[in-house]
Amino acid sequence: EVRLVESGGRLVRPGGSLRLSCAPSGFIFSSYNMNWVRQAPGKGLEWLSYISSAGSTVYYADSVRGRFTISRDNAKNSLYLQLSSLRADDTAVYYCARDGGHGVTLFGEVIPRPNWFDTWGQGTLVTVSS
Amino acid sequence: DVQMTQSPPSLSASVGDRVTITCQASQDITNYINWYQQKPGKAPKLLIHDASRLETGVPSRFSGSGSGTGFSFTISSLQPEDIATYYCQQYDSIPPTFGQGTRLEIK
Repeated sequence: EVRLVESGGRLVRPGGSLRLSCAPSGFIFSSYNMNWVRQAPGKGLEWLSYISSAGSTVYYADSVRGRFTISRDNAKNSLYLQLSSLRADDTAVYYCARDGGHGVTLFGEVIPRPNWFDTWGQGTLVTVSS
Repeated sequence: DVQMTQSPPSLSASVGDRVTITCQASQDITNYINWYQQKPGKAPKLLIHDASRLETGVPSRFSGSGSGTGFSFTISSLQPEDIATYYCQQYDSIPPTFGQGTRLEIK
């Protein structure tokens, strides 16, 4: 069974830091691009970040660029999201999501980029509050 | 960023009804749109990618269509287990963006 399990969410003070982890199983992790998506309480979905299968290409949403860092360790079968300079509006459930595509083909070259999110974890709650 | 305007925000329908949700993109996104279902307290689930390609295991009563800027998602015969919030998502450009969601209820 293809599965993703997030961990690391907790209550943190404004300005604090946190590292989220995502543990995949049931598929060859190193072959897939991965993403982080969050959902604030009662709100919609917001894509945050993408990392290619080898970790060589990363993208961020403007709202988190410079504060969040995505990374992966294929040898340890793990995906991470380092959160820093946290604010109250970062309070959300954070999901890791496997990318079902392999990028976009332009002029015969495959450009790694987010496509569709075919597998999601159960989410981990980050609460930023004093 | 590409804005995805999804409508209606909420919808009440009866079992067996045909239900349609639309998404309007702020620019041409070809067919780079996906549809997700999210049940309360659960993670989203991918139903359709590339506008009309049904994910394996997803019932055939779900379908999607459209290209360019206008897209629709249809449930041909609403079932009680379809109660959820539905989201569209474009990936023509970075950042990928989601519609605001459509909350579907049983009448």
